[in-house]
Amino acid sequence: SSELTQDPAVSVALGQTVRITCQGDSLRSYYASWYQQKPGQAPVLVIYGKNNRPSGIPDRFSGSSSGNTASLTITGAQAEDEADYYCNSRDSSGNHPPYVVFGGGTKLTVL
Amino acid sequence: QVQLQESGPGLVKPSQTLSLTCTVSGGSISSGSYYWSWIRQPAGKGLEWIGRIYTSGSTNYNPSLKSRVTISVDTSKNQFSLKLSSVTAADTAVYYCARERVATIIYYMDVWGKGTTVTVSS
Repeated sequence: SSELTQDPAVSVALGQTVRITCQGDSLRSYYASWYQQKPGQAPVLVIYGKNNRPSGIPDRFSGSSSGNTASLTITGAQAEDEADYYCNSRDSSGNHPPYVVFGGGTKLTVL
Repeated sequence: QVQLQESGPGLVKPSQTLSLTCTVSGGSISSGSYYWSWIRQPAGKGLEWIGRIYTSGSTNYNPSLKSRVTISVDTSKNQFSLKLSSVTAADTAVYYCARERVATIIYYMDVWGKGTTVTVSS
């Protein structure tokens, strides 16, 4: 099982707002980053840190964090947002060297 | 704009060593405070971080794979490489290379290769 837990699937009506969550002990001390992956393609970074968007990522994508839970919010979901979404952070051991862990992924369906 | 491209055999026999190379273009592998990482994804499953290397040569590996993984870097060729020994069918996956940034409490991969499929089969 993953150190970061995500809901396997989430759906949203076109134009509505959806929140995808990621839970894990390490998120109490470290920020999550989020990736979008469409079928047959490599993941694309959409949010990193507190709420930072790489160049070219629409501002409808935003990130937040509270306690052991990080969230990716899509405000006004578009058909092209249908994809798998993965969170990542470091491991929860606190040991050095750190290693990276990914959540199991959430499949977003836009209805 | 930095781009990454994986290369290597698409088919590896069980018990043998999987070897992949990632070529970095559009920038020097030695510039900036970046790590260079490998991630894999079995068909229909999630992402698994394999390990990273810094251009100094220091490495970190996923504890679950550590005994079988070696990551190296060749700065003269602007490449880094992955070797995974004693492979089994469970190592069949799409393998990605990525540029990783670590900013104190933020770990993220901002540039990814397109991925290469490796099948372990006799």
